[in-house]
Amino acid sequence: AQKITQTQPGMFVQEKEAVTLDCTYDTSDPSYGLFWYKQPSSGEMIFLIYQGSYDQQNATEGRYSLNFQKARKSANLVISASQLGDSAMYFCAMREHFTGNQFYFGTGTSLTVIP
Amino acid sequence: DTEVTQTPKHLVMGMTNKKSLKCEQHMGHRAMYWYKQKAKKPPELMFVYSYEKLSINESVPSRFSPECPNSSLLNLHLHALQPEDSALYLCASSQDRVGELFFGEGSRLTVL
Repeated sequence: AQKITQTQPGMFVQEKEAVTLDCTYDTSDPSYGLFWYKQPSSGEMIFLIYQGSYDQQNATEGRYSLNFQKARKSANLVISASQLGDSAMYFCAMREHFTGNQFYFGTGTSLTVIP
Repeated sequence: DTEVTQTPKHLVMGMTNKKSLKCEQHMGHRAMYWYKQKAKKPPELMFVYSYEKLSINESVPSRFSPECPNSSLLNLHLHALQPEDSALYLCASSQDRVGELFFGEGSRLTVL
């Protein structure tokens, strides 16, 4: 079974609008972390936001927020007020306490912001 | 500015060449990683070093040989590569067993 599932290969959003990128995960470890990364065409993987499994509140970092629904095992990324520079690949990832230094990545979502 | 530095940024090599990719971090991280990434695909884990010891080897062909000379440096030695090995090679580091991955800008490898 896939540890991380991203079901949206490609998404389009109008500039200044909000967009939600979906991510679901599968784990039996009660302690885990969820991460979102942005990868522009230049190739660098940029860390955006982190949510711990025991965190009570949804994580936020500037225009990025993580909609964490633990019972549904989902960790969707919300980008508010989209900008042209947000056009990139976005990867959801998970790290389990039990497996330590093994990170599981989803297949990614390609986001295009339309002017 | 990325805190994980990779060199070279671009590398073109023939199938009989020997080359090395280098990675350096000064964040005190004790876990260091090599990933291979093809276009529009997620990164694929190759190797993980934890406290300078190889802890994960994802059945990578022996033409790729990792080396961790000290806690700040990670090398990937390349020998007799195939054209299908052409990819973006990403180095990353993290605290051991916790926290996020910090990636370098990557080394884009082309094998002719």
